[in-house]
Amino acid sequence: EDQVTQSPEALRLQEGESSSLNCSYTVSGLRGLFWYRQDPGKGPEFLFTLYSAGEEKEKERLKATLTKKESFLHITAPKPEDSATYLCAVQAVLTGGGNKLTFGTGTQLKVEL
Amino acid sequence: DVKVTQSSRYLVKRTGEKVFLECVQDMDHENMFWYRQDPGLGLRLIYFSYDVKMKEKGDIPEGYSVSREKKERFSLILESASTNQTSMYLCASSFMRIRRQPQHFGDGTRLSIL
Repeated sequence: EDQVTQSPEALRLQEGESSSLNCSYTVSGLRGLFWYRQDPGKGPEFLFTLYSAGEEKEKERLKATLTKKESFLHITAPKPEDSATYLCAVQAVLTGGGNKLTFGTGTQLKVEL
Repeated sequence: DVKVTQSSRYLVKRTGEKVFLECVQDMDHENMFWYRQDPGLGLRLIYFSYDVKMKEKGDIPEGYSVSREKKERFSLILESASTNQTSMYLCASSFMRIRRQPQHFGDGTRLSIL
């Protein structure tokens, strides 16, 4: 059974204080790892897809990296508008029809002035 | 931009009622999904569909059914609503022909069963 564990559950940062969120996974053959951002009362918004170990993707203050067992979402010099819940999900090779995803429970990030 | 639209943002229903949640996507996606999201449990897949009139059970299908009569529309049905079905319901869609494509989500329906 595919599993995704995210840590920490919650993180409070000062503006400008860089940090990393962790997503560890077990999957029977990784097709892709996805990061999403979710604001309160909204649906998840797609950020990145990573396909293979060693891959990195960047968007503004966010950088996602992937190893064979985990992914990190690095946040550099965060701003209050980066406050959100960040979700990680994996898609297995043997996912059958539908391209199902298995989600972690998320990291709730709060960035304070 | 992909647009996934859920018909209601908030819904209040009574125990035993039959409840319909509607979702429409405008990107010609083959796949459509229904999730529920609860604190501490994350997103859990209820049902999904990869073609018109096709459906497959997800991880927690009990108490739910779905309907997909048109490619762009996917409905979630609570046959006889119960209080433990109070939750945030999220619809998503994605391409099937192209693997590794992300799912795109609507803004959710917060459903309360009294």
